Amino acid sequence: QSALTQPASVSGSPGQSITISCTGTSSDVGGYNYVSWYQQHPGKAPKLMIYDVSNRPSGVSNRFSGSKSGNTASLTISGLQAEDEADYYCSSYIGSNSYVFGTGTKVTVL
Amino acid sequence: EVQLVESGGGLVQPGGSLRLSCAASGFTFSSYWMHWVRQAPGKGLVWVSQINGDGKRTSYADSVKGRLTISRDNAKNTLYLQMNSLRAEDTAVYYCARASSFTFDPWGQGTLVTVSS
Repeated sequence: QSALTQPASVSGSPGQSITISCTGTSSDVGGYNYVSWYQQHPGKAPKLMIYDVSNRPSGVSNRFSGSKSGNTASLTISGLQAEDEADYYCSSYIGSNSYVFGTGTKVTVL
Repeated sequence: EVQLVESGGGLVQPGGSLRLSCAASGFTFSSYWMHWVRQAPGKGLVWVSQINGDGKRTSYADSVKGRLTISRDNAKNTLYLQMNSLRAEDTAVYYCARASSFTFDPWGQGTLVTVSS
């Protein structure tokens, strides 16, 4: 199973909105509504930000939102803040109790 | 508070073995599936393995099948990863994570495994 494809980097100025894409196939992203997104600051463990494509866990800012169209899922961060600078990974269920992560995207706040 | 604490990482020679542990607290451990995920230095996250609540159902990434074995001891609230025939490419931080509705949440702080001679 190949990793899902994400852009290596995305940047934006404070207050702007950015979108990170996560492209897979009909066997992963397109086949299940079980896409989740994780934020990872340097040297820290990942943190769940979005689950089941578009749901936010309690405690996660509503500036984070998720969506999916076909084989591509997206994470949008609105009102970009300095604390959002981190690596972001998508993940998808692929059946048979197995999962795949994306290649990861480094978000830079200019 | 849900807490996951990994241990057991270290330096091991190629071909060697290591057993990682993940101590869980703050939730009913036996009710949850659990994952292992790894991250090579400077690289992305890679799903490794999953186990169900009673330990009878497991799944693995193709890259580790036959060499890594996931297990659990619900009496001790502990998840394990037995790692055999280790290769340089197994060098990574290994995280345990609770499975929750097709997600990984929360994660432990990770334990570093270095395979080198």
